Amino acid sequence: GENVEQHPSTLSVQEGDSAVIKCTYSDSASNYFPWYKQELGKRPQLIIDIRSNVGEKKDQRIAVTLNKTAKHFSLHITETQPEDSAVYFCAATNNNAGNMLTFGGGTRLMVKP
Amino acid sequence: DVKVTQSSRYLVKRTGEKVFLECVQDMDHENMFWYRQDPGLGLRLIYFSYDVKMKEKGDIPEGYSVSREKKERFSLILESASTNQTSMYLCASSFGLGKDEAFFGQGTRLTVV
Repeated sequence: GENVEQHPSTLSVQEGDSAVIKCTYSDSASNYFPWYKQELGKRPQLIIDIRSNVGEKKDQRIAVTLNKTAKHFSLHITETQPEDSAVYFCAATNNNAGNMLTFGGGTRLMVKP
Repeated sequence: DVKVTQSSRYLVKRTGEKVFLECVQDMDHENMFWYRQDPGLGLRLIYFSYDVKMKEKGDIPEGYSVSREKKERFSLILESASTNQTSMYLCASSFGLGKDEAFFGQGTRLTVV
């Protein structure tokens, strides 16, 4: 089955700096890569996703890049704000084969004002 | 607005008890998932269901079973609860067929004493 590794496990940045979280996956058939944000005490929510036919996707201050050859994808947050502080999870799945979503171990991002 | 509702927010059970965690979604989603969330381990998939009465084991199915008799309801069963099953349990659902965003319930924090 799929295995997703996520790094770093914790990340502390100064407000206004950029943050980068990296994930690798093992199954070359995976074709859908979402990122979820979980604020303290709340449920995870999708913030951005990318499919395997695209190399990069942006939504305001967040962007995701995908390198299919190397089997890794990354989340980039620019101009970080204190409200970006949360746990971020990457995930991977082959949505042509049952859509079983496998998550990475999570990254706790702390943005210091 | 998609709603995924878990029957309990907090649950305390005794070792050896049979425990039922219920999850209901109201958006006619095909896929439903049960995850376990532990600090530093991310979201680990216990079981996945892609249709009524259909199920697939995830990464950590030992000690758990599931039931999906109706499309909107997915139950997680701990046949004989043990202290190492103390955890946060998250249910999720997704439509599938290219609409892959997973929506999560609010979580059930289970303590086995």
